[in-house]
Amino acid sequence: GENVEQHPSTLSVQEGDSAVIKCTYSDSASNYFPWYKQELGKRPQLIIDIRSNVGEKKDQRIAVTLNKTAKHFSLHITETQPEDSAVYFCAASKGRMGYGGSQGNLIFGKGTKLSVKP
Amino acid sequence: SAVISQKPSRDICQRGTSLTIQCQVDSQVTMMFWYRQQPGQSLTLIATANQGSEATYESGFVIDKFPISRPNLTFSTLTVSNMSPEDSSIYLCSVVPGSNQPQHFGDGTRLSIL
Repeated sequence: GENVEQHPSTLSVQEGDSAVIKCTYSDSASNYFPWYKQELGKRPQLIIDIRSNVGEKKDQRIAVTLNKTAKHFSLHITETQPEDSAVYFCAASKGRMGYGGSQGNLIFGKGTKLSVKP
Repeated sequence: SAVISQKPSRDICQRGTSLTIQCQVDSQVTMMFWYRQQPGQSLTLIATANQGSEATYESGFVIDKFPISRPNLTFSTLTVSNMSPEDSSIYLCSVVPGSNQPQHFGDGTRLSIL
């Protein structure tokens, strides 16, 4: 089955710097790749997602890139702020026939604890 | 996006007992899932809750331990049966509101077994 590896497990940056988190997946049939942010004691919240027919997607300070050949995808956060401090999880899914990739079983990476120091 | 309510938000239970967790959504949704998040760990899918039929369980999870119901398109329950301290975790439901929409999570149920 699918296996998702995420690096680094912890990341500390200065406010204003950029942060990059990388994930690799094993199943070439995976076609949907969301990123979730989880603050302490709260639910995971979707921050950005990308489908396999797109190589890059950007939303303000957050961007995700996907390399299908290498089977890896990355989260980029620019101009980091203290409120970006949280655990970030990547995930991969194969989707279901007729339902689209997001409706498949999400396989999560182990998470990255990001700390942004003021 | 859909509003997801989970009950209870937390509970402390005795070993050997069972607890049923409810997940209510404010609109009909296509898919509902149950995940477990052990302390400081990632999320692991327990099962897909299928409306009107038996849930689909992931490897390592069985129906006798985690029976799931989904009587309609807005509601599901997960029961954690014959609990042991190893079952202490956060249990989260997630929903996919419709085709090609992302999964959204409830607030979770924080379960501690003594």
